Amino acid sequence: QSVLTQPPSASGTPGQRVTISCSGSRSNIGSHYVYWYQQLPGTAPKLLIYRNNQRPSGLPDRFSGSKSGTSASLAISGLRSEDEADYYCAAWDDSLSGQVFGGGTKLTVL
Amino acid sequence: QVQLVQSGAEVKKPGSSVKVSCKASGDTFSSHAISWVRQAPGQGLEWVGGIIPIFGSANYAQKFQGRVTITTDESTSTAYMELSSLRSEDTALYYCARGPGYCSGGSCYPEYFQDWGQGTLVIVSS
Repeated sequence: QSVLTQPPSASGTPGQRVTISCSGSRSNIGSHYVYWYQQLPGTAPKLLIYRNNQRPSGLPDRFSGSKSGTSASLAISGLRSEDEADYYCAAWDDSLSGQVFGGGTKLTVL
Repeated sequence: QVQLVQSGAEVKKPGSSVKVSCKASGDTFSSHAISWVRQAPGQGLEWVGGIIPIFGSANYAQKFQGRVTITTDESTSTAYMELSSLRSEDTALYYCARGPGYCSGGSCYPEYFQDWGQGTLVIVSS
């Protein structure tokens, strides 16, 4: 059981916009930044979004993050087949004194 | 461009220990946080612990307290994670990851994971 809750799956067609939610509590998302990671099949995770809505240099602006209260979301616009991957949210948790991840959302591009 | 190169796969018996290394190149080693994140087969990501070399002391996930030790060797820009009392549930891919850290209340923590190693598979089996 993950501390942060994500839907196990999401899907969309090429060109579409999809959002992935991440729900937490006051001790994690409610008090700290949220981060998003993309894991393509068979590869190491990759940082996608940091500090709620910041993109690392070189990342296309099709990816965006937002946070409100104890929830956060990742939006991917102009969906492409290469976006098919697992996506994880993460945040610091004060109660656990550690980094916590969501269970991951498998994105399928139909 | 930072590169993190991890040691090779390990097969261990239950009850034994494993020590995995992560060598960094390409950027300042000491001032960034190094964390270890594991992923059991078919499962999600789980933070094991982290350290900021320049400050020395490591932070560990509560689940692993007492069983894990994270250290660094600044002379070789290498981080290590040792996990003891291994059980079958510890079978996983172990990643090292580097990123900024921050200090608060006298302790220092990894903030997020910017660069990742290739992963080291640890199999625990009798």
